[in-house]
Amino acid sequence: SQKIEQNSEALNIQEGKTATLTCNYTNYSPAYLQWYRQDPGRGPVFLLLIRENEKEKRKERLKVTFDTTLKQSLFHITASQPADSATYLCALGRGSTLGRLYFGRGTQLTVWP
Amino acid sequence: DTGVSQDPRHKITKRGQNVTFRCDPISEHNRLYWYRQTLGQGPEFLTYFQNEAQLEKSRLLSDRFSAERPKGSFSTLEIQRTEQGDSAMYLCASSLAVREKETQYFGPGTRLLVL
Repeated sequence: SQKIEQNSEALNIQEGKTATLTCNYTNYSPAYLQWYRQDPGRGPVFLLLIRENEKEKRKERLKVTFDTTLKQSLFHITASQPADSATYLCALGRGSTLGRLYFGRGTQLTVWP
Repeated sequence: DTGVSQDPRHKITKRGQNVTFRCDPISEHNRLYWYRQTLGQGPEFLTYFQNEAQLEKSRLLSDRFSAERPKGSFSTLEIQRTEQGDSAMYLCASSLAVREKETQYFGPGTRLLVL
């Protein structure tokens, strides 16, 4: 069965630094990979989607890469701020219009001043 | 606020009781998904609809679970004879089944506690 691993359960960094989160997957060939942010007690909020034929996507301070050979995605937050503190979820989907998503457990990011 | 609403936000029930949750998706979205999330885990897929049709069900969805989307708009998820293991956050999401607009937008969730 498919397996999705996110690099660590928790990541602590200083404000202003770049946070890098990792998502690795096995036994799967996703057509899409998405990153969501989740705050405690709330639903996930969509951040970025990258397709299998794309290498990199950017949105403001966010950057995501997708390497289908390594079966890995990296998610970067540059110039991190305490407000970026949250859990970040990686989710994979396949098919021409996604359908069900397979989620990793998430990485809890804390940005300290 | 993503535009997806869920009701109730919290539910406490006793083991053996039935519960029903409602999800109202973004109005123009034709797909609606249900996921379940337990503490420290990512959301797990339960089922999804395209319009009124239930297109896929997870093996997690036991016979005690049933979902409907009768008119292709709102959806309900019912759990019969609840068990303590059903305690979780139940998340609803909606999307369009159209390339470039297929992002799933999640609601705030319904947190269920079974005593």
